[in-house]
Amino acid sequence: AQKITQTQPGMFVQEKEAVTLDCTYDTSDQSYGLFWYKQPSSGEMIFLIYQGSYDEQNATEGRYSLNFQKARKSANLVISASQLGDSAMYFCAMREMDTGRRALTFGSGTRLQVQP
Amino acid sequence: ETGVTQTPRHLVMGMTNKKSLKCEQHLGHNAMYWYKQSAKKPLELMFVYNFKEQTENNSVPSRFSPECPNSSHLFLHLHTLQPEDSALYLCASSQVTGQRMNQPQHFGDGTRLSIL
Repeated sequence: AQKITQTQPGMFVQEKEAVTLDCTYDTSDQSYGLFWYKQPSSGEMIFLIYQGSYDEQNATEGRYSLNFQKARKSANLVISASQLGDSAMYFCAMREMDTGRRALTFGSGTRLQVQP
Repeated sequence: ETGVTQTPRHLVMGMTNKKSLKCEQHLGHNAMYWYKQSAKKPLELMFVYNFKEQTENNSVPSRFSPECPNSSHLFLHLHTLQPEDSALYLCASSQVTGQRMNQPQHFGDGTRLSIL
């Protein structure tokens, strides 16, 4: 079974509008962390935001916020006031801590295109 | 500038060549990772090094040989590669501290490898 599922291969959004990128995850660990990364066409992976499994508040980081619904095992990324520079691939990732594994497991990504 | 530098940025090699990818991190981290990113596939973890010791080998073929001489440097030695090995190879580092879950991995810009 896929650990991280991103069901939207591609998304379009108008500049200045908000967009939600979906991410669902599968784990039996009690302790885990969820991460979102942005990958522009140049290739570098840029860390955006983090949500821990025990965090009661949804994480926010500037225009990025995470809609964390633990019971549904979803961690959707919300980008407010989209900008042209937001056009990129977005990856959801998870670190499962109960097994002590440090590496991240990534989803297949969503390509976001912001239109003027 | 992410603090993780990968060289070369691009590499074209024949199937019989031997080459090495280099990664250097300037963040004082104690864990380093190699990932492979192929078109239309999620990032695949290849190797994990923690305090210079290999802690994960994700069933990677022996034609890929990692080397971690110290916590700041990581190499991926390549020999007799196949066309399907053409991909973006990303190096990452992170600080592994007990049970803290929120340490993101910091990525380099990647080496785009093409096998002729």
